[in-house]
Amino acid sequence: DAGVIQSPRHEVTEMGQEVTLRCKPISGHDYLFWYRQTMMRGLELLIYFNNNVPIDDSGMPEDRFSAKMPNASFSTLKIQPSEPRDSAVYFCASSFTRREETQYFGPGTRLLVL
Amino acid sequence: AQTVTQSQPEMSVQEAETVTLSCTYDTSENNYYLFWYKQPPSRQMILVIRQEAYKQQNATENRFSVNFQKAAKSFSLKISDSQLGDTAMYFCAFQGAQKLVFGQGTRLTINP
Repeated sequence: DAGVIQSPRHEVTEMGQEVTLRCKPISGHDYLFWYRQTMMRGLELLIYFNNNVPIDDSGMPEDRFSAKMPNASFSTLKIQPSEPRDSAVYFCASSFTRREETQYFGPGTRLLVL
Repeated sequence: AQTVTQSQPEMSVQEAETVTLSCTYDTSENNYYLFWYKQPPSRQMILVIRQEAYKQQNATENRFSVNFQKAAKSFSLKISDSQLGDTAMYFCAFQGAQKLVFGQGTRLTINP
């Protein structure tokens, strides 16, 4: 298996632009997670899905952030409009069946908003 | 809410030495899972080792082993015969009924 795939790996954009991050989970994994990593806040969970349904989005910072999972093999995290404080590394992770199973992380997307 | 504390922001050892990274956590749950993840400069989060709380035996993976003390809520990682490629940030993480919670990380440097 190729592991969790994320694209793009790097994104540089200007404030106010829309940003879309993409994730393909490991085949057969029923849970998908989006995390954000910053120096100040460390790794924080933004939202997670079970069988394509959003279960907990309490970590989404504000309405500018939205996430979708239209099918079992694809998810997006969108920021509209983007702001400089959104600059971070965004990770997607997936796990098999139960939440207590090991989460496997993608390589991350490094986002810089100018 | 669960919390995970890594009290060593940075550590540095010589190649081939043994190093132990500390982690403590706070929870009222009885069934949970603990993890150590490694994040090298590439920023990829890599699973190092995993421990189920209901298992008394400490997990091992080649040069990596843990000392799991459930009563003390302690979960340290020991790296034996350290190698240059072990240089990375190491994160301890707790998974209970809620979300996966990470510590702030320990930056480990292996010197030649």
